[in-house]
Amino acid sequence: SQQGEEDPQALSIQEGENATMNCSYKTSINNLQWYRQNSGRGLVHLILIRSNEREKHSGRLRVTLDTSKKSSSLLITASRAADTASYFCATTYNNNDMRFGAGTRLTVKP
Amino acid sequence: DAGVIQSPRHEVTEMGQEVTLRCKPISGHNSLFWYRQTMMRGLELLIYFNNNVPIDDSGMPEDRFSAKMPNASFSTLKIQPSEPRDSAVYFCASCEVAGYEQYFGPGTRLTVT
Repeated sequence: SQQGEEDPQALSIQEGENATMNCSYKTSINNLQWYRQNSGRGLVHLILIRSNEREKHSGRLRVTLDTSKKSSSLLITASRAADTASYFCATTYNNNDMRFGAGTRLTVKP
Repeated sequence: DAGVIQSPRHEVTEMGQEVTLRCKPISGHNSLFWYRQTMMRGLELLIYFNNNVPIDDSGMPEDRFSAKMPNASFSTLKIQPSEPRDSAVYFCASCEVAGYEQYFGPGTRLTVT
């Protein structure tokens, strides 16, 4: 399968802690994106990192990409209860084909 | 822009009935995607269009599923006849450039009894 795989499947932390989610993939990519999904809603784009980039920041989000290991990580710092959601990575290949992983379910306890 | 619009938001139907889901992408977006999401199988890409042309329908589960995009502002996903295992949330998404940020609609929750 070309799609990325997130790890862990589920993560539970206390408010204020950092949350780290990982995504691994198998073939060369054009870019990798992270999305968030609140229960019962559509996915919302968070951040895109291109294959020639190693790190990007957006507010409390930090994304890294290691193309040699074919992996990415999403770090959410100083988590809040409102960050409770599922987080998906999506990998885009050179033909612009984009596939979503199975997601990580994050629970932030107040 | 109002974002991606899907209708209906909820659909309950009996097995064997025809179901039509509708999507209006964001104006100016050239690519449109239909996804299905279930607890068991996660988020599955069913089909996507570029400039109204179907590019990849390999995710369409069976011949009972069909999708059309007659113009740049409208797409339908039809299931005929519907079966209980088709129960899922169906999302439509659009993007300006294939392979980049996708904007998702609110989804249609389909229940087939």
